[in-house]
Amino acid sequence: DAKTTQPTSMDCAEGRAANLPCNHSTISGNEYVYWYRQIHSQGPQYIIHGLKNNETNEMASLIITEDRKSSTLILPHATLRDTAVYYCIVRADSTGNQFYFGTGTSLTVIP
Amino acid sequence: DSGVTQTPKHLITATGQRVTLRCSPRSGDLSVYWYQQSLDQGLQFLIHYYNGEERAKGNILERFSAQQFPDLHSELNLSSLELGDSALYFCASSLDRERWLGEQYFGPGTRLTVT
Repeated sequence: DAKTTQPTSMDCAEGRAANLPCNHSTISGNEYVYWYRQIHSQGPQYIIHGLKNNETNEMASLIITEDRKSSTLILPHATLRDTAVYYCIVRADSTGNQFYFGTGTSLTVIP
Repeated sequence: DSGVTQTPKHLITATGQRVTLRCSPRSGDLSVYWYQQSLDQGLQFLIHYYNGEERAKGNILERFSAQQFPDLHSELNLSSLELGDSALYFCASSLDRERWLGEQYFGPGTRLTVT
């Protein structure tokens, strides 16, 4: 599975959009980009995933560059409850492949 | 609430002992994954079971073993425990319909403390 690179930490003002970048320059054609977050010591929570096209759901938007070498997770209106560690993961669409969570980005939403 | 349950919530035991952690996946999910999260190692994938069969192994020690039962619940067995095994152990489940993996739903975790 491709490796990902994320900034260690970011701050965002409450009510503003939080844009979390992820680099995955060695991504393969069959690998999806997944985003999860972990609030304190709770179990990680799935946010969104995509292959090529941009995706949006009730939690966030995922923007994947045309060459698929990087992506951005967008939380449109960050709240204090969005303070968490955000993990970007790339994984092939096939059972038997592992999930590598990496170190993630610690997002702090500031009042 | 993800729908994944894990028991016990907390476990304190001594070095050399053996413990069993239990996970019940979401209704209908066929896959169960186990992860270990310690302060210095981050979230590490241990093992994946799909419909009772082992599908992938990660950084799982030989002292650890897992299985998935016909009712799809899973158990992670940790033996000859060492201080370094102290960690949060998470279980996750997913539908895994053929080759579409989809998202994983994580349980609340079991905090293991080895003294």
